Amino acid sequence: AQSVTQLGSHVSVSEGALVLLRCNYSSSVPPYLFWYVQYPNQGLQLLLKYTSAATLVKGINGFEAEFKKSETSFHLTKPSAHMSDAAEYFCAVSVGTGGFKTIFGAGTRLFVKA
Amino acid sequence: KAGVTQTPRYLIKTRGQQVTLSCSPISGHRSVSWYQQTPGQGLQFLFEYFSETQRNKGNFPGRFSGRQFSNSRSEMNVSTLELGDSALYLCASSLGPGQSNTGELFFGEGSRLTVL
Repeated sequence: AQSVTQLGSHVSVSEGALVLLRCNYSSSVPPYLFWYVQYPNQGLQLLLKYTSAATLVKGINGFEAEFKKSETSFHLTKPSAHMSDAAEYFCAVSVGTGGFKTIFGAGTRLFVKA
Repeated sequence: KAGVTQTPRYLIKTRGQQVTLSCSPISGHRSVSWYQQTPGQGLQFLFEYFSETQRNKGNFPGRFSGRQFSNSRSEMNVSTLELGDSALYLCASSLGPGQSNTGELFFGEGSRLTVL
C-alpha cells in the first residue's frame, strides 16, 4: 500500500529564511510524487511533480524538491520565504494499475513571519 | 481553458437529508476524482471515475456514491447526512490513461457542505 508522511503539521519561518517541508513516502512500485499548495478557501494547485525524469525538480514560485530513493523522501524547499508563501502544502503519491489513485499526506501549514 | 468547476460552492443541510454535488472537468480530461477534506482527517480519497466507470474507491460507507456522464461531468451523492459529513468536497480532473498521464490532478475550488 502507498502512503505519505509529512513531518510537522505546522512550520513557521521568517520572511527571507529557508523553507523546508518534509515528506516521506512508501510505495511498492516507482511512484509519481507531487507537491500541491492550498490557499484559504481554494482548491489545491500543483507546485511541482516528480515523474522519474530528474531527481531535482523545480516548480512554480521558486520551490523545488529532490527525490531521494534511498531515503524515500521528497522534501520541498525554497531558499527565501515570502509572505505570499503562507498556505497549506500537501505531498502526494500517485500509483495505480488500471487507474490512478492519488494519496495525500496530512498537510503542513506554513506560516511566514515578517 | 476553463478550469474545474464545482457547484454549489456552499450549502447547508440537516441530518438525514441527502445532497448532490456536481463537477465539470477541464475540457479533454476524462478522469474525475473526488476527495473529502476535513480538519481532522485531511484529504481523504472518495472515488475516481473514467469513461463513466468507477475505477478506484476509497474507504467510505455506501452512503457516498458517485457517477460520471458521457461528457465526463461527474456528480457525487451523500445520502442520510450525518454531522460528520460536514467537509469541503474537492473534485479533481486529469487526463485518462494512454495520454501520458502522470497522475497530475487539477482541482476545483470545492463545495463546502455544512450539516446541522
